Amino acid sequence: AQSVAQPEDQVNVAEGNPLTVKCTYSVSGNPYLFWYVQYPNRGLQFLLKYITGDNLVKGSYGFEAEFNKSQTSFHLKKPSALVSDSALYFCAAIPSNDYKLSFGAGTTVTVRA
Amino acid sequence: DTAVSQTPKYLVTQMGNDKSIKCEQNLGHDTMYWYKQDSKKFLKIMFSYNNKELIINETVPNRFSPKSPDKAHLNLHINSLELGDSAVYFCASESVEEKLFFGSGTQLSVL
Repeated sequence: AQSVAQPEDQVNVAEGNPLTVKCTYSVSGNPYLFWYVQYPNRGLQFLLKYITGDNLVKGSYGFEAEFNKSQTSFHLKKPSALVSDSALYFCAAIPSNDYKLSFGAGTTVTVRA
Repeated sequence: DTAVSQTPKYLVTQMGNDKSIKCEQNLGHDTMYWYKQDSKKFLKIMFSYNNKELIINETVPNRFSPKSPDKAHLNLHINSLELGDSAVYFCASESVEEKLFFGSGTQLSVL
């Protein structure tokens, strides 16, 4: 079965510290991988995606994610977190032989001042 | 202009009622989706339409019926509402690069 796992329900960091949100996937073939962010009482917004090419993908708001095929991971990172980064983050994947996007369960990020 | 707009934003209703949620996108995308987000924030796909044709229908009760009058609209009609239908419902449209654009959500509360 295809799946996307976000092993941490919550991540808490101090402002200015590095932020990492973990994601691993179990999908067939070479998946397309995405990160979305949901701010309180808002819809989800696209952050970044990986399809092919450079394993380090840069996205919106200073976020980046690294694709690691051997570890089947696609962790989201930001070198210096801001309080405004506090939100719910979703990892998602589309298998190469399918068109259906699967979401992880989400990770709540809290950045304290 | 809002890219994906859905109405209403909030919907409070009694069990057994029938209600509809409307969604419109002005991005020119061919593919649209309905997602359900439960109380634990878990996102689950419900339906997908491509150019007015149903292409994904997950195991959703047949009380839920999507309608796509044209490729810019995907409405969701729910019959005989149940308590368990309470959730936030998100509409989304998909670009050719498979990037999703979400509406702001409809919070449905069934009493």
